[in-house]
Amino acid sequence: DTEVTQTPKHLVMGMTNKKSLKCEQHMGHRAMYWYKQKAKKPPELMFVYSYEKLSINESVPSRFSPECPNSSLLNLHLHALQPEDSALYLCASSQEGIGHGYTFGSGTRLTVV
Amino acid sequence: AQSVTQPDIHITVSEGASLELRCNYSYGATPYLFWYVQSPGQGLQLLLKYFSGDTLVQGIKGFEAEFKRSQSSFNLRKPSVHWSDAAEYFCAVGTSGGYQKVTFGTGTKLQVIP
Repeated sequence: DTEVTQTPKHLVMGMTNKKSLKCEQHMGHRAMYWYKQKAKKPPELMFVYSYEKLSINESVPSRFSPECPNSSLLNLHLHALQPEDSALYLCASSQEGIGHGYTFGSGTRLTVV
Repeated sequence: AQSVTQPDIHITVSEGASLELRCNYSYGATPYLFWYVQSPGQGLQLLLKYFSGDTLVQGIKGFEAEFKRSQSSFNLRKPSVHWSDAAEYFCAVGTSGGYQKVTFGTGTKLQVIP
């Protein structure tokens, strides 16, 4: 299995809703990432998990809450989002050591109404 | 802090023609450099990477890139473009220490015409 699987593919939520994005990989990668990508922009790093511990939080608002229950699974819990949070949310994983590059999922397209 | 510049926002080439996408980086130490490709609405796929060794790197789908330290560049090339190569291409630089913080350039959109 050489894939990163993200669910759901599309999500529409209201500003008072609570929802979660899910990311799963079975490649044995011990680093996992959340990126946010606005239209016609590059991906921007949000969080990095290494060995199931949060190692980088790029000053992301608390309405985004990451969770890494085990080495294969990464969640992003969403609460009280704003319309400007609408974007493509990408999950990625990698082997230990930066030189390996990332394997990305195909993303969750989030629309906040 | 590291940064990446892709000076070309949009490039149009004819199918079968050669391609070169430009990338310049800024980083104090030896950088980790990557090229990724993204089709519309999709995630990113790693084309190739460089950290050390031979400065000409071969990747997937017939792409190659050349690292030139003196010019702080890592340009992507392909000798003959196919219509399926139309996509967004991102150059990225990663830090050599700490956890895997990768910064992406603003991207170059490639259009391929018959």
